[in-house]
Amino acid sequence: GAGVSQSPSNKVTEKGKDVELRCDPISGHTALYWYRQSLGQGLEFLIYFQGNSAPDKSGLPSDRFSAERTGGSVSTLTIQRTQQEDSAVYLCASRGVSGLNTEAFFGQGTRLTVV
Amino acid sequence: QQPVQSPQAVILREGEDAVINCSSSKALYSVHWYRQKHGEAPVFLMILLKGGEQKGHDKISASFNEKKQQSSLYLTASQLSYSGTYFCGTASDTGRRALTFGSGTRLQVQP
Repeated sequence: GAGVSQSPSNKVTEKGKDVELRCDPISGHTALYWYRQSLGQGLEFLIYFQGNSAPDKSGLPSDRFSAERTGGSVSTLTIQRTQQEDSAVYLCASRGVSGLNTEAFFGQGTRLTVV
Repeated sequence: QQPVQSPQAVILREGEDAVINCSSSKALYSVHWYRQKHGEAPVFLMILLKGGEQKGHDKISASFNEKKQQSSLYLTASQLSYSGTYFCGTASDTGRRALTFGSGTRLQVQP
């Protein structure tokens, strides 16, 4: 696609339910990141996929959070047993090469509200 | 470990200059600068690689001091369109090189 696509754009869920957030990166991009942004706050790093390497999961806040990337393309972020503090905008970004001299392109994000 | 940005917020009049700083406790390979407007995704401004280079983009430029692990973003003759939150993202020189961002600097340019 022309850009990074995330779905859904908005998600309202009940506390305790599981949710899945999807990210379609730019075709051919090898690096994919997930970030969380609470209202008025910064970009909190969650997880980083690079090619076929094991993902860097060091930013995941708890074991309720997991992510996978299938076929080196689409990624899904899963939050189990959602809590109200999980409410935030979840941003996905992708980048073209394994080095870090290229820009990351961000999707528009998924706004998650846990009620 | 995320970089530290300063100031947290700044208000300018159109035409004034501003400097936003970003520092890290780790040896850095690269520094990325992004601007995010309210309700929108962050948009790329520029990347600086270790080597102390300076880059410019219209009236926005940045420097990277790899000895101090610091980068500064310079906004000159600010325009109303410069308003937004500026984030620096850093990647360490070792390890997995995940891109981590500072907490942001909110910039408001007033007429």
